[in-house]
Order: sequence, then C-alpha cells, then structure tokens
Amino acid sequence: EPEVTQTPSHQVTQMGQEVILRCVPISNHLYFYWYRQILGQKVEFLVSFYNNEISEKSEIFDDQFSVERPDGSNFTLKIRSTKLEDSAMYFCASGVGYQPQHFGDGTRLSIL
Amino acid sequence: AQTVTQSQPEMSVQEAETVTLSCTYDTSENNYYLFWYKQPPSRQMILVIRQEAYKQQNATENRFSVNFQKAAKSFSLKISDSQLGDTAMYFCAFMAQTQGGSEKLVFGKGTKLTVNP
Repeated sequence: EPEVTQTPSHQVTQMGQEVILRCVPISNHLYFYWYRQILGQKVEFLVSFYNNEISEKSEIFDDQFSVERPDGSNFTLKIRSTKLEDSAMYFCASGVGYQPQHFGDGTRLSIL
Repeated sequence: AQTVTQSQPEMSVQEAETVTLSCTYDTSENNYYLFWYKQPPSRQMILVIRQEAYKQQNATENRFSVNFQKAAKSFSLKISDSQLGDTAMYFCAFMAQTQGGSEKLVFGKGTKLTVNP
C-alpha cells in the first residue's frame, strides 16, 4: 500500500537555525498538509497546499514558516529561525479530496 | 470554527472486553466527515474508522464501530474484544465538506487507552 514518507525521522537543531522537513506524499494525491503535535498535546493543523499554492494556514503558520513543492514528488516545510517552542512532532499528510488523509510517520524536531 | 471535545483523557480496559471512547463536536456545517485515528507509542497516525455525516448507518470496521448521533453532535468509538495492540492514544477528528476539497482535520485532545492483560 502506498505510503507518505517523511525524512528525517528525528532532527536536532540549534535555536535560530533553519530547518527543512521533507515529505514525499502518495503519488496520485492532490492535497498536502502539515500538522504539528507538541509532546503530550493534540495534533494541530499548520497548512494545506493544493495546486501549487497554500489553501489555508493556521495562526501557528507565521512568517517563519514556508512550504514548497519543488518538484513533482517532494513537499517541504521550512522553519527559518527556529525557536525552542518549535520542538514538536511534525506530520505530513496527503489526500484525494474528501478521502481520509494519509499521514507519514512524522519528524521529531528538537530545538536546543 | 469547529471544535472537537474528548472528555476522557485516559481509559483502561481488560483484554477481550469492550470499551467506548467518547467524542463530541461543534459545527455549523451540515456536511462533514468524522474520523478516529489511533496513535501508538511509535507516534504514527493510523486511521481507524470514518463516518460521513450524510449517512445514517453507523460505520463499522472489524472490531471497531461508531455510534454517530448527528443531532447530538456525538461520535463515539466502540472497540470490541480489546487486544493488547489496541493500547494507544485515540484521536477523534472532524473535517468539513466544502467545495474546496482540501479541508483540514480538526482534532480532539485524545484519549489514552490502555488494554490490560
């Protein structure tokens, strides 16, 4: 069964550094998402992406965040200047319209 | 804005018994989808079951079934014949159905379920 693939599985970064989280969505999916889960808390929506542009973004998704689909397969989340509070699990998901979203295994981001 | 409430932070059940996890939601939308996702200690997000709001029949998936009460905005998950592998965090999630087709999932805070041998 096709899977959403995320790399790396764990990223450790110094505060203030830039980080790029990578995702390969399922190939025939059209809608792409990033979610965040701070340890012990609920999963929160960050941004959705369709037709090469952002469809919706949450209040969390401020100017330090950006997303890109640089080629036909990858979908990236960039955090320009990381803060301690960015430490979380980041999930990529993809979907086809109103079908259930498929999640990747997540990237655990640790900011020191 | 939609909200999802899971009022049981933790629950436990004996192996082979049945347990029900509660979820309520608030929305002004008439068309939407509801989901239960399972998150084991490995922290993957695994879809358990899905319900379309326009369907009156409750969804079932093997040992998992839901009790969907649209008027009450309630969407509980019943796990029958609980197994040790069911131990996980369970998240209830809501997705509005709009013309855009790329609606986000709105999650509850989760219920930590422990299945005891």
